[in-house]
Amino acid sequence: EVQLLESGGGLVQPGGSLRLSCAASGFTFSNYAMTWVRQAPGKGLEWVSTLTGSGGSTYYADSVKGRFTISRDNAMNTLYLQMNSLRAEDTALYYCAKSFYDTSGAEAFDIWGQGTVVTVSS
Amino acid sequence: DIQMTQSPSSLSASVGDRVTITCRASQSINSYLNWYQQKPGKAPKLLIYAASSLQSGVPSRFTGSASGTDFTFIISSLQPEDVATYYCQQSYSTWTFGQGTKVEIK
Repeated sequence: EVQLLESGGGLVQPGGSLRLSCAASGFTFSNYAMTWVRQAPGKGLEWVSTLTGSGGSTYYADSVKGRFTISRDNAMNTLYLQMNSLRAEDTALYYCAKSFYDTSGAEAFDIWGQGTVVTVSS
Repeated sequence: DIQMTQSPSSLSASVGDRVTITCRASQSINSYLNWYQQKPGKAPKLLIYAASSLQSGVPSRFTGSASGTDFTFIISSLQPEDVATYYCQQSYSTWTFGQGTKVEIK
């Protein structure tokens, strides 16, 4: 069964750091780009960051650029998100998601984890 | 950055009704438009990719179409289990979600 399991969330003070993990199973992890998407309480989905399968290319939303770093360990089938200089507005449920590609090159997120909650508050 | 404008923000319809949600891109995105369903307390689920392709296992009452920068998502006959928030997403240039449409039963 294809599965993603996030961990590492918690309560952190403004300015603090946190590292999220996403453990993947049931597919060849290194073949797929992986993404973090977040959802603030009562709000919509916000794309955060994406990393290609090889780890060679990274993409960040402007709201987290320079503060968050996405990485992966393909030997451990794990995706990470290092979050530094956290702000109250980073409070959200953080999902990891696997990319899916069709023959036309279109990309979507076909598998999602259940998410891990990050709360930034003093 | 590409902006996605989704409408309406919410709607209420009866079981069996046809439901239509639209999404407009701020520039051309070819057909790199996906639709997701998110039920309360659950992770999003991919329903349609590349504007009109139905993801495996998704009921055929869900359809999508495209016309230029305008995209349409239709539930042909609303069912109680379709109560959810629906999001469009462009994957042409990085990734952007629409604001979401909350669908309720009247």
